[in-house]
Amino acid sequence: SQQGEEDPQALSIQEGENATMNCSYKTSINNLQWYRQNSGRGLVHLILIRSNEREKHSGRLRVTLDTSKKSSSLLITASRAADTASYFCATGWGAGRRALTFGSGTRLQVQP
Amino acid sequence: DGGITQSPKYLFRKEGQNVTLSCEQNLNHDAMYWYRQDPGQGLRLIYYSQIVNDFQKGDIAEGYSVSREKKESFPLTVTSAQKNPTAFYLCASSIGPIRGNSTDTQYFGPGTRLTVL
Repeated sequence: SQQGEEDPQALSIQEGENATMNCSYKTSINNLQWYRQNSGRGLVHLILIRSNEREKHSGRLRVTLDTSKKSSSLLITASRAADTASYFCATGWGAGRRALTFGSGTRLQVQP
Repeated sequence: DGGITQSPKYLFRKEGQNVTLSCEQNLNHDAMYWYRQDPGQGLRLIYYSQIVNDFQKGDIAEGYSVSREKKESFPLTVTSAQKNPTAFYLCASSIGPIRGNSTDTQYFGPGTRLTVL
């Protein structure tokens, strides 16, 4: 099964509202990353948080990591229609292999 | 322009044919990856290569093959043994374990959409 699982699978909000997505994982990690994918396109890296960090900010993005609960959240503040995309978490060093493991994603729809 | 490119963007294959998807990067990255994405799903790792002339199977390697003869290139062949190859294929690269970390940020190409007729 996937190392990371995002919740919710789909989210629809109005422009200006905040969007929160969660990611849970199963094994120990050295970092957790969030990526964005516009429909039919490649993924774009958003932010990386290391296992010894608890919170990280980048512009309108805020990521938290709770290693005791094996979970992370991505908050997008003051959302825009252009934020409409799928968002994936990816964990490093999951299941003992030297590659990232991606979750199944949250599809975010921001209504103008 | 620096980046990672994939070609073709769309590919159609008849059953029983092998096809090769191209992935090239000029980012001087050691590590490269191939993923498969099915509609509404996440990414599944097919193969990855941490350095030239070396590669490892991912989660769904059956029916696929790769080579890594050059640092810049990591072509993926979808063989006739892959029973359900219709999907979106994504290539990515990262700095890699020699100069960075095995699990550093990955940079993705635009993808190739393969359809079996």
